[in-house]
Order: sequence, then structure tokens, then C-alpha cells
Amino acid sequence: SAVISQKPSRDICQRGTSLTIQCQVDSQVTMMFWYRQQPGQSLTLIATANQGSEATYESGFVIDKFPISRPNLTFSTLTVSNMSPEDSSIYLCSVEWGAWYGYTFGSGTRLTVV
Amino acid sequence: GENVEQHPSTLSVQEGDSAVIKCTYSDSASNYFPWYKQELGKRPQLIIDIRSNVGEKKDQRIAVTLNKTAKHFSLHITETQPEDSAVYFCAASRGGSQGNLIFGKGTKLSVKP
Repeated sequence: SAVISQKPSRDICQRGTSLTIQCQVDSQVTMMFWYRQQPGQSLTLIATANQGSEATYESGFVIDKFPISRPNLTFSTLTVSNMSPEDSSIYLCSVEWGAWYGYTFGSGTRLTVV
Repeated sequence: GENVEQHPSTLSVQEGDSAVIKCTYSDSASNYFPWYKQELGKRPQLIIDIRSNVGEKKDQRIAVTLNKTAKHFSLHITETQPEDSAVYFCAASRGGSQGNLIFGKGTKLSVKP
């Protein structure tokens, strides 16, 4: 499967600031996905990042709050903007590997907003 | 919208017993159904998956069954061990669109020695 490096692994941030999370894959992938996992909860898809086009956001998530970049087929960033304590979550990137819908996750970024 | 319901939310079994987790999905176009295991503080790990053209798949102590007509699928773990203790998530692909997974709310499995 693809190897995904995600950083930072954790951070504590002040409210009102922004944090950019990086996701690096060891092979070229068409789509990268960003998920949020709130404490004790399931995974919720934030957006799909396509190389060369705007990210596609899920209902409840907007570009101004979660801008995404996808400069090439192995890298993506997710920014959490103007943070509030409600943004405290684990953020995970995910990619599909192989030709048969296998999805693997990065190690996650544990964000705490104070 | 599409959703995936997962039951039970918690499950406690004795070591050696079997554990079954059930999920139902709403999108009739879903065609891929993975199961993930997430240990505390770690990323979700794919443990088994099944596609809509298969009714059952087994990998050692783990098996998944799919009933397309009823839109439900289940995870079966036999001969459970303490290291099976984790949160398990089912997921279903969103229609025919590549890449979108909708997750269930998770089942916390505890295996008591």
C-alpha cells in the first residue's frame, strides 16, 4: 500500500490562528482525501483534493475555513483557518492505492485549539 | 443523504468468543465496503473489505458478509484475542464516485482475557 507521511503529528494552537497540515505520499495518486475525526467520533470527509483543480468540499465544510492545495500528484495541504476550540480534532489524509478502491490513512494530526 | 448505521456501539466479549458487528447503508449504488480497526491514538487500519459482486470474504479469523438486497454487511471475528480490542468502523462507498467513503459511527470492541 501507499506510504503516507503527515505532519505535524500534533499541535496546540491559539484560537484565531491558522494551521497548515501537510500530507506526502510515496507514489502518485489521483485523489487525496481529507477527513476530520472529532474526539470519540467517526470519520467525516472534509474534501477531496484533485491535482490541477479546485478541491471538492462536503456539505458543512467551506473553502474559506479549510483551504486545500494540491500542487502535484504526491502532496497536499489542508489549512484550518481562524481556529476555534470546536476545531479540536484529528485531521487525517487518505489516498486510494491500487486499482480496486483500497484506501489508506496518514498517521493523523491531533489539533488542540485553546 | 447517504448514511451508514453501525451496531452495536460497544461490544464486550470473552477471549475466544466470536464478535459480530453489523452495518446498514442507504445508497443502493454503493459498491465497496471496507472495515477499519482503530487502536487508541493510531490511524484507522484497513482489515478487510468486500465489493458488491461478492457475498462473503474471509481472511483468517476475520470475515465479512454482504447482503445487497437488504443493504447490510457484517464483520465477524472468531476466536477473539485481547489484541482485537479497538474501535471498528465500517464504511460504504458513495455511489459510483471514486474515493468517497461514508463511515459508520464505530464499535468499541473489548475482549476480556
